[in-house]
Amino acid sequence: KAGVTQTPRYLIKTRGQQVTLSCSPISGHRSVSWYQQTPGQGLQFLFEYFSETQRNKGNFPGRFSGRQFSNSRSEMNVSTLELGDSALYLCASSLGEPTDTQYFGPGTRLTVL
Amino acid sequence: AQTVTQSQPEMSVQEAETVTLSCTYDTSENNYYLFWYKQPPSRQMILVIRQEAYKQQNATENRFSVNFQKAAKSFSLKISDSQLGDTAMYFCAFMKHFQGAQKLVFGQGTRLTINP
Repeated sequence: KAGVTQTPRYLIKTRGQQVTLSCSPISGHRSVSWYQQTPGQGLQFLFEYFSETQRNKGNFPGRFSGRQFSNSRSEMNVSTLELGDSALYLCASSLGEPTDTQYFGPGTRLTVL
Repeated sequence: AQTVTQSQPEMSVQEAETVTLSCTYDTSENNYYLFWYKQPPSRQMILVIRQEAYKQQNATENRFSVNFQKAAKSFSLKISDSQLGDTAMYFCAFMKHFQGAQKLVFGQGTRLTINP
């Protein structure tokens, strides 16, 4: 079974631009979670989607948004990019029950210049 | 709010040695789950081991085992017969149920280096 895939793997943007990242979960998984990883703040939860609905949201500004499609694929969008948004963005999928383990994708490395 | 603390930013051992990574957490919940994830230099986060808080028996996966002390809120990872491929960042993570949703809270990580 294929693992979690994320595209693109690397992105370079400039301040003020917006960016969209994509995540395809493991087949059969209905929950997709997004995390931001930076050297200073570590791994922080952004949001979780299940059956096209946002179930949980972390403490990030409204510039960070996401959505999930009927095939469980998810996208996250960051508008008006800031230098501090440079990070590795990780996507994780699970079957969706609260007890289920999350499996991670390789991440998208976003650099904001 | 739940917090997870890994007190060892870096560790280094020789190949074939046994190493223990520490993790403590703070929660008022009774039912929760704890995880160790490994992130090798290629950056793909991989699940190492999982522990359910309601289980008294410590989880094991081949060379990896945990020492789960619920009262002390401690969850350490022991790697036996360490191998070069074990070199990675190791993250301890906590998950509770939240209105049916999932949310992992991570520690800051321990960078483990296995030397030949």
